Amino acid sequence: QSALTQPASVSGSPGQSITISCTGTSSDIGGYNFVSWYQQHPGKAPKLLIYDVSKGPSGVSNHFSGSKSGNTASLTISGLQSEDEADYYCCSYAGSNHWVFGGGTKLTVL
Amino acid sequence: QVQLQESGPGLVKPSETLSLTCIVSPYSVSSGFYWGWIRQPPEKGLEWIGSIHHGGNIYYNPALKTRVTMSVDTSKNQISLKLTSVTAADTAVYYCAGRTVTKNWFDPWGRGTLVTVSS
Repeated sequence: QSALTQPASVSGSPGQSITISCTGTSSDIGGYNFVSWYQQHPGKAPKLLIYDVSKGPSGVSNHFSGSKSGNTASLTISGLQSEDEADYYCCSYAGSNHWVFGGGTKLTVL
Repeated sequence: QVQLQESGPGLVKPSETLSLTCIVSPYSVSSGFYWGWIRQPPEKGLEWIGSIHHGGNIYYNPALKTRVTMSVDTSKNQISLKLTSVTAADTAVYYCAGRTVTKNWFDPWGRGTLVTVSS
């Protein structure tokens, strides 16, 4: 299983919206609706943002949203805030109780 | 709310075995979770190492399968990870994470513990 492909970095200004893509294959993202997204601030553990492609856990701001088309999942952050500056990782079920993560995307809020 | 705390040596010599434990509290390690290990090399992405259920189901990343062993100790309410024949490429922050059996995401996560492989 190969890591999912994410852009190394994205940036945006406060108030703008950005989208982070996560590309896999028909054996992971394309085959299951089990994509999750995590936010990681420096020196901290990853935090769950989105699960099952587009669902948000309680307590997580609704300016994070997720979607999927074919073998590519996307995380959209609307109304960028300075505290959104962090690394973001996607994760997908890959069958047979295996999991695969993306390489991560560094978000810079300009 | 489930809390996870990883512990183990911060420095391991090349070719030796990396051993970590993760204490689960206040819930029982026998509750409805798969317990997993996920690692993150410095300045790199996350890598799923494997998952274990107290009932005996264990799943490993194929890339690490020949070197990894995970176990559950119900008497100590903890899970363990052993990685043999380590090299510098195994230097990483190692996270313990839980996944509800019927769910498909990792939550909660421990704070992670840095393991450096160096002589």
